[in-house]
Amino acid sequence: GAVVSQHPSRVICKSGTSVKIECRSLDFQATTMFWYRQFPKKSLMLMATSNEGSKATYEQGVEKDKFLINHASLTLSTLTVTSAHPEDSSFYICSASDAIATLNYGYTFGSGTRLTVV
Amino acid sequence: QKEVEQDPGPLSVPEGAIVSLNCTYSNSAFQYFMWYRQYSRKGPELLMYTYSSGNKEDGRFTAQVDKSSKYISLFIRDSQPSDSATYLCAMTVTQYGNKLVFGAGTILRVKS
Repeated sequence: GAVVSQHPSRVICKSGTSVKIECRSLDFQATTMFWYRQFPKKSLMLMATSNEGSKATYEQGVEKDKFLINHASLTLSTLTVTSAHPEDSSFYICSASDAIATLNYGYTFGSGTRLTVV
Repeated sequence: QKEVEQDPGPLSVPEGAIVSLNCTYSNSAFQYFMWYRQYSRKGPELLMYTYSSGNKEDGRFTAQVDKSSKYISLFIRDSQPSDSATYLCAMTVTQYGNKLVFGAGTILRVKS
């Protein structure tokens, strides 16, 4: 139980274009989803927290106009990297939680998306 | 001072050894504690989830929480080369809906 699916696993895009990453909770309704960024050999850095139907809460230093987060349903959240630049290249990971899933399984993570901007 | 301190390693052990991984934290409000394993270029995989002081065992893994000392540990018995990965401790204040605070992650290498 408590499976989170993230897609795509890898994407290469040209500088200046936008990329959308999807995060889906497959067997539970995720009231809260989290988006992380991870640099090589570093820990996860929280970018934003999104609650279904509400605007995302961004961590300090994260540009909300660049990293658009939508959590329109209880099973889907998307992260759109707008006008991507090479410095946005990174590993992006989502996580989802709800009361029952977290009680039994803790916070569940997606498999991550490796974004390369060329 | 970071909220969660974890030695990044790398920690190198021979196959079959007992591995001890540790984290300390400063925020006494943390009540829920997790250990994740992360292979290169993969998402973190939950290993252990505890919310009370004491030990919790699952197969070769034992999680230990000492809230009075603000110290958590993960023990891996009979370590295998497949255990080679980065181990991340994480903790949060409430059971759900609140952000996780991660340690830096410890790189573990088990040599065959």
